[in-house]
Parts: sequence; structure tokens; C-alpha cells
Amino acid sequence: KQEVTQIPAALSVPEGENLVLNCSFTDSAIYNLQWFRQDPGKGLTSLLLIQSSQREQTSGRLNASLDKSSGRSTLYIAASQPGDSATYLCAVNFGNEKLTFGTGTRLTIIP
Amino acid sequence: DTAVSQTPKYLVTQMGNDKSIKCEQNLGHDTMYWYKQDSKKFLKIMFSYNNKELIINETVPNRFSPKSPDKAHLNLHINSLELGDSAVYFCASSQTGLKFNEQFFGPGTRLTVL
Repeated sequence: KQEVTQIPAALSVPEGENLVLNCSFTDSAIYNLQWFRQDPGKGLTSLLLIQSSQREQTSGRLNASLDKSSGRSTLYIAASQPGDSATYLCAVNFGNEKLTFGTGTRLTIIP
Repeated sequence: DTAVSQTPKYLVTQMGNDKSIKCEQNLGHDTMYWYKQDSKKFLKIMFSYNNKELIINETVPNRFSPKSPDKAHLNLHINSLELGDSAVYFCASSQTGLKFNEQFFGPGTRLTVL
């Protein structure tokens, strides 16, 4: 069964610190992996997409890595800011035209 | 603005009613999706259409019927609403072969069944 897991479910970090969010998946035969951000009561904002042949993608203070062999991806956020507080969702396309989502990590940046 | 839009944003209705949610994308994409986010915030695919053809139909009660009049629209009609249908419904779109089918999401429709 193709599953995506995100641990921890919640994370609090002081402002300015660097942090890493984790995502693991059960099937290494993936097509791509997307990281999303969801603010309370809002939709999903796509942050980064890593295709299966890539090892990492960067956008500003965000860096996403992919290790298919171990079934893991990380989202690194540098110099965290209060505005980074949100739920971060990892979603995997296992090549079947749909995204399988993790349960998310709720991130709180403490000013 | 280029985006995925949904109407209505909020929908409150009684059990047993029939309701529809509309989705439109002006990104020129050929594939559209409906996802459901339950009370525990877990997101799960319901349907997917490519060029107006149904390509994914997860285990969804047949009270839910998607309709795609054209590539830019995918509506969701729900018959005989039940309490368990209360959730946030998200529409998304992607273009086959573009940026490895990156999906873009609408703002969601919060459905509350009383």
C-alpha cells in the first residue's frame, strides 16, 4: 500500500532558527513529490516539486531533498520567520496521476 | 489572476439535500481533480478528469457525481447529503507533462451538513 507519513505532527521553533521537516513514503517508485503549505482555513500553496530523478530543489529559504532509496524527503527552512507558521504537507505522485498526502506537520515559529 | 477558483467558499445545508460545488481553472491545464480534507485535516483524492474524461474514481459513494463540461471546469454534485460529508473540498489542476504534472489547488469549499 502506498502511504506517506510526516513526523512530527507539530513542531515549535524559535524565530531565526533553521529547521527540517520530514516526510517518508512506502514505495520508492515515485514520479514526483510536492511540498505544500496550508494556512488555517486556506487552500494549499505549492512550495516545491521534486521530480523522481532529482535530489533537491531550492526556492529562496526553502530547500527540499529527495532520497528515493530510503523513501524520504526533507524540507529545510532557513532562518525561520513568524510568517512561516503554517501546516506543511508532503504529497507523493506514485505515477498514478494522483497525489497521496501525508498528515502534515503544523509548524509554529515563536517570535 | 491565473488560478484555480471554487464556488461557493462556504456551504451549509441540511441532511438529505442535494448541492453542487463549482471549480474553474484558467491555467490552460488538461487535468482536474477533487480532493476531500476531513476533520482530521487528511487530504484524499476523490476524482480526476483529463480532457473531460474520468481517469480516477476512488472509492467514493455514488452520491458524489463529478461533471466536466469542458477542460476548464470540473463540478461536484452531491446527492442526499449526510453528516459525514462535512469536510473541505479542494479542486486542483495540472497539465500533463508540464513541470512533471505539478498540481495547483483552489481555496477550498467548506461544506457543513447539519
